[in-house]
Amino acid sequence: DVKVTQSSRYLVKRTGEKVFLECVQDMDHENMFWYRQDPGLGLRLIYFSYDVKMKEKGDIPEGYSVSREKKERFSLILESASTNQTSMYLCASSQLTGFTEAFFGQGTRLTVV
Amino acid sequence: KQEVTQIPAALSVPEGENLVLNCSFTDSAIYNLQWFRQDPGKGLTSLLLIQSSQREQTSGRLNASLDKSSGRSTLYIAASQPGDSATYLCAVHGSSNTGKLIFGQGTTLQVKP
Repeated sequence: DVKVTQSSRYLVKRTGEKVFLECVQDMDHENMFWYRQDPGLGLRLIYFSYDVKMKEKGDIPEGYSVSREKKERFSLILESASTNQTSMYLCASSQLTGFTEAFFGQGTRLTVV
Repeated sequence: KQEVTQIPAALSVPEGENLVLNCSFTDSAIYNLQWFRQDPGKGLTSLLLIQSSQREQTSGRLNASLDKSSGRSTLYIAASQPGDSATYLCAVHGSSNTGKLIFGQGTTLQVKP
């Protein structure tokens, strides 16, 4: 059974903290993605990566960075958390070519206080 | 810029009814289209992927169709059950095949016993 695993289901952090969200996939997928989901705004792409050490900005990269040191792991970093980054964060992975079905993790509900 | 729209935003039906969820997209140059299910507070579960060369895909009681020329997809759910209650999201993979998904806002389905 394919799996994308996010390190935390729920996180509460303080304003100004540096926050790490971790995502691991076991499908040997090249592509990995970070989205955030907010009521009324839907899912928006923050960053994606199509190879180790490669990254590209999505639609809303401001305030975020990412790291991909190994193929199976993609980390989202909030350099200095702010209350407007309170959201549901979703990680996904897919193959680079062919049958590019995307698989998602269970989500991390982040609250910044 | 690709835009994806799902109508209606919410739908309530009695158990046993057959139903259709609609998804439309503005740019017909897509690589493929994927339907997801999301339960409250959870991640996305992939239901069906339709590649751009296909007209439909079936999985159990679910059937998804794709008409690229008109920019439309439908998800047909046969003999609905209370366990089908969830939000259903469609997403298109752009023609450049970066793997990036563009999501609709979703249709929240309630199936009443």
